[in-house]
Amino acid sequence: EAGVTQFPSHSVIEKGQTVTLRCDPISGHDNLYWYRRVMGKEIKFLLHFVKESKQDESGMPNNRFLAERTGGTYSTLKVQPAELEDSGVYFCASSQASRAFFGQGTRLTVV
Amino acid sequence: GENVEQHPSTLSVQEGDSAVIKCTYSDSASNYFPWYKQELGKGPQLIIDIRSNVGEKKDQRIAVTLNKTAKHFSLHITETQPEDSAVYFCAAKDNAGGTSYGKLTFGQGTILTVHP
Repeated sequence: EAGVTQFPSHSVIEKGQTVTLRCDPISGHDNLYWYRRVMGKEIKFLLHFVKESKQDESGMPNNRFLAERTGGTYSTLKVQPAELEDSGVYFCASSQASRAFFGQGTRLTVV
Repeated sequence: GENVEQHPSTLSVQEGDSAVIKCTYSDSASNYFPWYKQELGKGPQLIIDIRSNVGEKKDQRIAVTLNKTAKHFSLHITETQPEDSAVYFCAAKDNAGGTSYGKLTFGQGTILTVHP
């Protein structure tokens, strides 16, 4: 069974540009989460989808971040325009019950 | 909201020794506590978890204990091996709103180094 897959693994963009991260959850998992780890600190929650609906987006930093999960399958997280402080590793996780399984992450560097 | 504190931030042990990582949480409604291991360049991997109706759980060389009254839980790794070297994160499930599938609140992470 395939795990959670994220694309790209790395992205380097200039301040002001747009970047879109993609997450493919484990097949059949209704719950999809986005998390972020900045500068070696703790992993912080961004938002939670149940199928195609946003269940909780309390962790989204500001309106430069837009997450979608059309059709309830894969999800995208777009940052527009990117700022220096958006640099970090973005993780996606999926679950069908309590146990959440993480992807390998996308390392975003904004220069 | 939930707040999770994790100690120590770094831990260095000799191969064969035991390692213990401790976490405390603030929200008494939290009822699910997983531990993740993150190796370089990889995502967090679930290694063991415990629910609030259980005090201890063991899986081969790793074990987790939970003290609900004191609101703390610990990861114990026995007979450590160099391949145990990684960053370990504890987490607590935020049960706000009654959902069983809510967000995880993570501790700050512990860098474990096992010296051969």
